[in-house]
Amino acid sequence: QQQVKQSPQSLIVQKGGISIINCAYENTAFDYFPWYQQFPGKGPALLIAIRPDVSEKKEGRFTISFNKSAKQFSLHIMDSQPGDSATYFCAASMMGSWGKLQFGAGTQVVVTP
Amino acid sequence: DTGVSQNPRHKITKRGQNVTFRCDPISEHNRLYWYRQTLGQGPEFLTYFQNEAQLEKSRLLSDRFSAERPKGSFSTLEIQRTEQGDSAMYLCASSLGGGGGEKLFFGSGTQLSVL
Repeated sequence: QQQVKQSPQSLIVQKGGISIINCAYENTAFDYFPWYQQFPGKGPALLIAIRPDVSEKKEGRFTISFNKSAKQFSLHIMDSQPGDSATYFCAASMMGSWGKLQFGAGTQVVVTP
Repeated sequence: DTGVSQNPRHKITKRGQNVTFRCDPISEHNRLYWYRQTLGQGPEFLTYFQNEAQLEKSRLLSDRFSAERPKGSFSTLEIQRTEQGDSAMYLCASSLGGGGGEKLFFGSGTQLSVL
């Protein structure tokens, strides 16, 4: 049973466009919500993360929006670039076990030139 | 390269054989994690160490799996009597731990194929 549900499974966006990936969770004990980026043949790399005490966090072209009441969070990639083509995973974990992540199934993003 | 190192990168074995993977974490990191990732899925937590102590094991980790981290440095993951269902990417990650969230640094993984 996947505790974190991610959508869409894949998306294609034109260069300069906005990529939006959504995640939903059930466990209200989750306290830490990171996004990881993975390129083929590589391990995941932390992109950006949020705690539930804030509703939005922005780092460069990447923004997390967090809706605690709806138990949903999303990643927005602004001004998407071909180098952003990768698989993106949302994840969640609990206080005291922050490294024990429950990952979503991933979204494959393709940015066309 | 001061990142997390995993060896071998690829392992092909026959069903029933034993295999062992090695992970060398970032040197100052006290926590080490093992995850498993199958095609088209996100990584699944298997186990983690704080220094040399194995603090948690997932229910996914059957008795055929064992992990060690002697002296709190590198770690090994052994799978005995491999089955075809063990075919996956085995990822190692390390971190400094701490409050407010935990940044995991993943290695590039060991791809296991069981024939």
